[in-house]
Amino acid sequence: DSGVTQTPKHLITATGQRVTLRCSPRSGDLSVYWYQQSLDQGLQFLIQYYNGEERAKGNILERFSAQQFPDLHSELNLSSLELGDSALYFCASSVATGGGGSPLHFGNGTRLTVT
Amino acid sequence: GESVGLHLPTLSVQEGDNSIINCAYSNSASDYFIWYKQESGKGPQFIIDIRSNMDKRQGQRVTVLLNKTVKHLSLQIAATQPGDSAVYFCAENFRHQFYFGTGTSLTVIP
Repeated sequence: DSGVTQTPKHLITATGQRVTLRCSPRSGDLSVYWYQQSLDQGLQFLIQYYNGEERAKGNILERFSAQQFPDLHSELNLSSLELGDSALYFCASSVATGGGGSPLHFGNGTRLTVT
Repeated sequence: GESVGLHLPTLSVQEGDNSIINCAYSNSASDYFIWYKQESGKGPQFIIDIRSNMDKRQGQRVTVLLNKTVKHLSLQIAATQPGDSAVYFCAENFRHQFYFGTGTSLTVIP
């Protein structure tokens, strides 16, 4: 168990809808990262937060947004969903802001299916 | 962006044999590397890491080797077990960002 909790495990929704994915980092970790993993693709970095502030942005669509709350949990909001958004979404946490000898610890992901 | 690639997409080994999974990284300035294991339906699980000032690091049944000259990383699993069957991928850290490869699927034959 990595200590990173993601909810829900599965989400099935229709095109055009909006969903929210939730992540609780490991105790003591200040950084939260969001990744998308599609079939046969590697982990695509979306966005990173550190102690409540956005630290880095990757290939995140404008329809997607995220935030990290004072209690350090994070939410990823996906709106105007399209079929191509179907994927596994992972949250990872780390003690540091990025690298520095601190690994990322991943949750078990949310499997999003857009129909 | 940066990319991390794996030499072999699939690997089959006999139970009890040693496994070697390879990874080529792209940026010579990357200073930190991690190996992850991902089982079906689960998130990537941290296996072992190594900093760029080291050549080798050992864990329980696993060893990571880093060859900075050729930008190559390998994961050795000793006495491979059925529970080792999974996708393995490496990650490099460059400028405080992690870059992941697509992975190698390891199948252990009983």
